[in-house]
Amino acid sequence: ETGVTQTPRHLVMGMTNKKSLKCEQHLGHNAMYWYKQSAKKPLELMFVYSLEERVENNSVPSRFSPECPNSSHLFLHLHTLQPEDSALYLCASSQDWVSGGETQYFGPGTRLLVL
Amino acid sequence: AQSVTQLGSHVSVSEGALVLLRCNYSSSVPPYLFWYVQYPNQGLQLLLKYTSAATLVKGINGFEAEFKKSETSFHLTKPSAHMSDAAEYFCAVSEGGSTLGRLYFGRGTQLTVWP
Repeated sequence: ETGVTQTPRHLVMGMTNKKSLKCEQHLGHNAMYWYKQSAKKPLELMFVYSLEERVENNSVPSRFSPECPNSSHLFLHLHTLQPEDSALYLCASSQDWVSGGETQYFGPGTRLLVL
Repeated sequence: AQSVTQLGSHVSVSEGALVLLRCNYSSSVPPYLFWYVQYPNQGLQLLLKYTSAATLVKGINGFEAEFKKSETSFHLTKPSAHMSDAAEYFCAVSEGGSTLGRLYFGRGTQLTVWP
């Protein structure tokens, strides 16, 4: 595997379910990100992890819970979601979080549908 | 505050025609500028980026963009469109400094290429 991978690619869940999204990067990067991409809206940065420490949380509801057990893996735990949470969830990584010119490399995304 | 404006949410061109996707940004410091492309059911892929070297930046798939400070623009062009260029294109800006590695994205431009 190369680059950034995400599983599952598609997920349908009810509002009372608990599920997790997984992201893995094979690039040796130190920063990882979760984004939400909804139709007709700009990409929304949700969380940033730098060296396995959460450094950014953009007012994301607590029903989204990130976890970064090591620099290669990132999870997004989902619980009691709402239909408006249906979106494409993108994971990305970059060499670091400190510099402005770093390229972020994106995974293919998980398409989430909340019923 | 940083922001990115992509003029035209949809652009249609004929195969072989010039592609021009517009991006204007606001930034209080010299910016880093990016163009990403997103094909259906995929994540974002870097096309090119400007990091204060040459103002004309060449990217993958024959795309290029020119940084014009006086116009605060970073328009993306390709001399001859190909059917495979049909995708959504995102312009993004990063400043570093106090905003660290945060990327500010535009709303995207959907490019359609007609045969």
